[in-house]
Amino acid sequence: EVQLVETGGGLIQPGESLRLSCAVSGFTVSSNYMSWVRQAPGKGLEWVSVIYSGDSTFYADSVKGRFTISRDNYTNTLYLQMNTLRAEDTAVYYCTRARGSAGAMYYFDFWGQGTLVAVSS
Amino acid sequence: SYELTQAPSVSVSPGQTAMITCSGDALPKKYAYWYQQKSRQAPVLVIYEDTKRPSGIPERFSGSSSGTMATLTISGAQVEDEAHYYCYSTDSSGNHGVFGRGTELTVL
Repeated sequence: EVQLVETGGGLIQPGESLRLSCAVSGFTVSSNYMSWVRQAPGKGLEWVSVIYSGDSTFYADSVKGRFTISRDNYTNTLYLQMNTLRAEDTAVYYCTRARGSAGAMYYFDFWGQGTLVAVSS
Repeated sequence: SYELTQAPSVSVSPGQTAMITCSGDALPKKYAYWYQQKSRQAPVLVIYEDTKRPSGIPERFSGSSSGTMATLTISGAQVEDEAHYYCYSTDSSGNHGVFGRGTELTVL
């Protein structure tokens, strides 16, 4: 059975850092694309970042230079390091498996339940 | 940055056909995907690669795409289909994901 379990969310002040973790079971993160998607309160879904099986990474403009996606192949865990957090980063962060698709793109087939990050003073 | 455009809301009566559209300049070259989200639950994929339906998704859900517009059609919408629906694709490079702003479907 596939499971993605996010942890690490919480209340944090603007300018501080936080690391989210996503423990995966049922498939190996090293051989899959993995991605983070977030959803601000009352708002829609926003793609945040993706890491390919070959280690290439890409980011949304809104987080580029502040967030870093990575993975630990030994523990089968995905991470999102978030630095210099802003109020507008407040959201539920979902860990997803990003499945490569024909047409040289990817989509999300498995999702975690999300972890809430609240940035406020 | 690349955007996908969706109408904010669609309303139909039970049993009617609901059509939710998504427009984007890269859609002629990139597939559209549709996600259903209920009450802040994790999204569920209902259509992939423009027209394909994952196992377990009712047959009343179908997708199509022509030019710069993709369409999700729910034939004979049910009350339980009330949800937000998001189209998803990538930019022309295929590396940056993009969601539409979502369409709230009301069935009453």
